[in-house]
This record gives sequence, structure tokens and C-alpha cells, in this order.
Amino acid sequence: EIVMTQSPATLSVSPGERATLSCRASQSVRSNLAWYQQKPGQAPRLLIYAASTRSTGVPARFSGSGSGTEFTLTISSLQSEDFAVYYCQQYNDWPPLTFGGGTRVEIK
Amino acid sequence: EVLLVQSGAELRKPGESLKISCKGSGYSFTDHWIGWVRQMPGKGLEWIGMIYPGDSDTRYSPSFQGQVTISADKSISTAYLQWSSLKASDTAMYYCARHGVQQLVNWFDPWGQGTLVTVSS
Repeated sequence: EIVMTQSPATLSVSPGERATLSCRASQSVRSNLAWYQQKPGQAPRLLIYAASTRSTGVPARFSGSGSGTEFTLTISSLQSEDFAVYYCQQYNDWPPLTFGGGTRVEIK
Repeated sequence: EVLLVQSGAELRKPGESLKISCKGSGYSFTDHWIGWVRQMPGKGLEWIGMIYPGDSDTRYSPSFQGQVTISADKSISTAYLQWSSLKASDTAMYYCARHGVQQLVNWFDPWGQGTLVTVSS
């Protein structure tokens, strides 16, 4: 099973600042990685797939990078609606599909 | 618009059975894998398993194998997740989600709204 590790667990950021979230895989997942955003009381929403491709309707301030075992989600200038929990998910090797433990982005 | 609509919240007692549903619309239901994901209160996302409605090919996470059953009825574009004997530890939000590309297992998009299952005596 591929273990996905996200860091930090919580990130405190001021509106307008840049946020950088990390996701590490226990073995290579090539570029087969997705990022999701989940707000309280809502289902997760796809942000990024194939490590760096934005899903339809996702603002350009969200960007993904990386391949192999190290990945990054960057939010260039945090807006109030971006405060949420973010999960990475690998789909290179399954079953099982695996998610990271999540990073909570909170207001500083 | 591609939509997944899940059945409503459920309250059950330990030992009872339950089947929750996920109805797809706006796309060819038989051509995309559908997965189920658990989220326990205050916790992260866990993959339970998935089904390809076109031929009912089903895969499970080793953690959930034997604990739940995933099925689908393609005639009504609906996938199911069921338990034969619930435990208190099954209390969670359960999401269905479609895989993004026809016939392939990859990212999840879109997601259903979730079904809250509460198991309590």
C-alpha cells in the first residue's frame, strides 16, 4: 500500500499570502496524483489532477507541481474562501487508492 | 451537468443492516468507475472500494474487504454500499464519487453530497 503523508497538518496564513502544502508518497506514483479541497459540511472538490492540471473552474491561484514522491500544492494569494482542508490522493497503484491525512489551512 | 445524488441520513442500531445509494446522472453511468469513501467524524478520507457498473467489476480496500458490499444497478444508474451487521465504529459520512476518465481508475470528480450513517443503541 502506498502511504501518502501531508505536511504540515495545519498551516496558518494571512489573507493575501502564499500557502505551500506538501504531499509525499512512500514510493513513486509518477504524476498520478490529485488534490482536493474540503470545506466544513461539504463534500471534497477536485482541484488538481495529474499532479499539475487544474480542474474545470478552479482559479489560477491554485497550482500543483511535482512527480515521483514529492508534490506541492501552492495557493498564490489566499482568499477567504480558500480556508479549508486539502487532501492529496494517489491513483498510480491500487487497490487501495490512498489519501494523505490532510492539511488544514486556517486564518492567521 | 454530471451529478451524483446520495440517499439521506440513516440512524441504525448495532447489528442492523443498511444499504445506501448513489444515483448518477448527466453521463454514461456504465462507462465510469464509482468509488466509495469513508470520513469518520473529524477525520480524513479513506477509500472503501469501487465498482465499474458496465460489468459490475468490484474492488475493495483490504481494510474494508468482507465488512461491506458494493453493488450497482445500471438500469437505474445507481450504485450501493451495504452492511449486513453494523457496528458503532461504522458511524461516519460516506461519499460516492465518480472517477474522472471513462474506464480508468484515477481522480474523483464529481462527488456525491454524502450520506451520514449513525450507529447507536
